[in-house]
Amino acid sequence: DGGITQSPKYLFRKEGQNVTLSCEQNLNHDAMYWYRQDPGQGLRLIYYSQIVNDFQKGDIAEGYSVSREKKESFPLTVTSAQKNPTAFYLCASSIARQDGTGELFFGEGSRLTVL
Amino acid sequence: AQSVAQPEDQVNVAEGNPLTVKCTYSVSGNPYLFWYVQYPNRGLQFLLKYITGDNLVKGSYGFEAEFNKSQTSFHLKKPSALVSDSALYFCAVRDMKDNYGQNFVFGPGTRLSVLP
Repeated sequence: DGGITQSPKYLFRKEGQNVTLSCEQNLNHDAMYWYRQDPGQGLRLIYYSQIVNDFQKGDIAEGYSVSREKKESFPLTVTSAQKNPTAFYLCASSIARQDGTGELFFGEGSRLTVL
Repeated sequence: AQSVAQPEDQVNVAEGNPLTVKCTYSVSGNPYLFWYVQYPNRGLQFLLKYITGDNLVKGSYGFEAEFNKSQTSFHLKKPSALVSDSALYFCAVRDMKDNYGQNFVFGPGTRLSVLP
């Protein structure tokens, strides 16, 4: 079945370590997104990509990095520069319609805990 | 800048009763509005969207939403709530003023509890 696969589902990290969260989609969507979810704050956009080899910063990009070398893949690296990385991370994709009518499809999320 | 408000952190309703989860928005252009549901430790699932046309939009699992332009609202409704509807609900808006709005803005979420 088509969908978005995020891994790992749970991840523990020591302070000062970088970690990379995987996001793979087989929906043939052009656009991919990373969101961070904290309790009571809704979803905040970290990075998004409309096309391979191109990506844009969202509202809270500091301390994060991404790459988009393949259409299907959009990994997120949480660097040691991110001051409060403990959160639930959600990857999403959508058809990059010019009219903007495409909804987001979400993965199951990755929960990162910094020890 | 676009924004979304969900004025209630928590909504409690008895099983079988109608439910409403409120959402108001602010955009500079025409809004595209979305509702999503999230179960614990899961991703968000798309319920429905308003793009244009009929103000009453029907979606998945018996949910519907009413777009009201004058009140800038997009409330989610269901005629008869089920215990399995208990979840976190998010309203989101996409501002199409720029004709290619890339960013969805999400509300803070409303936790719905349906009591048996």
